[in-house]
Amino acid sequence: DAGVIQSPRHEVTEMGQEVTLRCKPISGHNSLFWYRQTMMRGLELLIYFNNNVPIDDSGMPEDRFSAKMPNASFSTLKIQPSEPRDSAVYFCASSLFPYEQYFGPGTRLTVT
Amino acid sequence: AQTVTQSQPEMSVQEAETVTLSCTYDTSESDYYLFWYKQPPSRQMILVIRQEAYKQQNATENRFSVNFQKAAKSFSLKISDSQLGDAAMYFCAYKVSARQLTFGSGTQLTVLP
Repeated sequence: DAGVIQSPRHEVTEMGQEVTLRCKPISGHNSLFWYRQTMMRGLELLIYFNNNVPIDDSGMPEDRFSAKMPNASFSTLKIQPSEPRDSAVYFCASSLFPYEQYFGPGTRLTVT
Repeated sequence: AQTVTQSQPEMSVQEAETVTLSCTYDTSESDYYLFWYKQPPSRQMILVIRQEAYKQQNATENRFSVNFQKAAKSFSLKISDSQLGDAAMYFCAYKVSARQLTFGSGTQLTVLP
C-alpha cells in the first residue's frame, strides 16, 4: 500500500496567492482529516470528512480556507488569499472507522 | 471537551536504557481509543501503538508498551532498549468513535549514545 499521498511536499508562495494542497487517502479508508502543525499551536484539526461528507469544519481558521472531497480517493485544501501566518506544515490523514489514522508526509507551506 | 496533557516537554535516555513518557487525558466517555504517534525530524507522523479503552490488557508492540490506567485516565508509553532511531517527538492522542484525534503537546525524546 502506498500510504497517504500528499502533494506538493513543499510550497513557497507570495502573500495573496491561491494555494491548493492535495491528498490521496489510503484505498478503502472512509475518513479523511486535514491538520495544520505550527510551533506555536501544535497540531490542529482543520476539517474532517466521513464518506466524502464534511463532518466538522470548526477548525478551519476563516473563510480563506476551504476543503473539498469530490470522491473517495481525492481531497483538496485551498487557501485563497494566502497570508504569511498560514505558513505551517499541513497534514492529511485517513482512517477506516473506528481505527487509527494514518498520516501523509505533510506539505510544508511558506507564504512570504 | 476532551483534553490530552503531556507534562514532559523534553526527555532524554541513554541508548539501550528504558524510558517512560507520560500522558493524561480528560474525558467523560467510557469507550474511546488512545494512541502514541512518533514524529521524527522527517516530520512524518508514525503510529507507534494503539489501546482500546475497553481492553484491560496493556498494548505491546515489540520494544514499545503502554501502561493504561483507565480510572486514573493515564496512558504512559514505555520504550525499552532505546535506540538512536527512537529519537523523535512523541504525541499522545485520544479519539472517540469516528471523531478526530485530540493530541497532546508532545514530548521531545533525545537518545544519548
